[in-house]
Amino acid sequence: DTAVSQTPKYLVTQMGNDKSIKCEQNLGHDTMYWYKQDSKKFLKIMFSYNNKELIINETVPNRFSPKSPDKAHLNLHINSLELGDSAVYFCASSHLGQNTEAFFGQGTRLTVV
Amino acid sequence: DQQVKQNSPSLSVQEGRISILNCDYTNSMFDYFLWYKKYPAEGPTFLISISSIKDKNEDGRFTVFLNKSAKHLSLHIVPSQPGDSAVYFCAASPYNTDKLIFGTGTRLQVFP
Repeated sequence: DTAVSQTPKYLVTQMGNDKSIKCEQNLGHDTMYWYKQDSKKFLKIMFSYNNKELIINETVPNRFSPKSPDKAHLNLHINSLELGDSAVYFCASSHLGQNTEAFFGQGTRLTVV
Repeated sequence: DQQVKQNSPSLSVQEGRISILNCDYTNSMFDYFLWYKKYPAEGPTFLISISSIKDKNEDGRFTVFLNKSAKHLSLHIVPSQPGDSAVYFCAASPYNTDKLIFGTGTRLQVFP
């Protein structure tokens, strides 16, 4: 019974396309995140949502739009995909508040060709 | 500007011996530190954490040490087992946020 699940696991698409990655957590957490791991293995936060509200928005291009229909879901929609968007995207969730660990999904490897 | 640094990209240790993974940070506003373990094609898995008010936290074979004056933390695994072979990420969270800032990871290989 997967705690944080992302779909799809792999995504290959052409430049200029629009794509979405879905994320669901069944841990009862109220905060969800998107992280990006680039080719240099840097794992960086992109967004944080708490109870469907945007809390953190790091300097991410506005082609990236997170959508949270409820607190168990946080989807990532990417418009006009570029080659540099190729990376592994991780969804995560945690309880609200500092000093809590985040639980990560298995990742979605996005390849833009 | 990498605020959390893991200067050793890889480490190889014999089974049964101690593995020591190091992490340095630059931001004095970090007050919570975590270690994550990652296997290929999986997401990071939480391993152990430490608050800035402590200097040591132990959980079974895993111990994390924090030296605030040196802005340094380390993860000790003893005894090391082949199943510990993975990439280990150090992460830090600034005061009053739930954001995690990760290091670039250290690949640990435990050989028989």
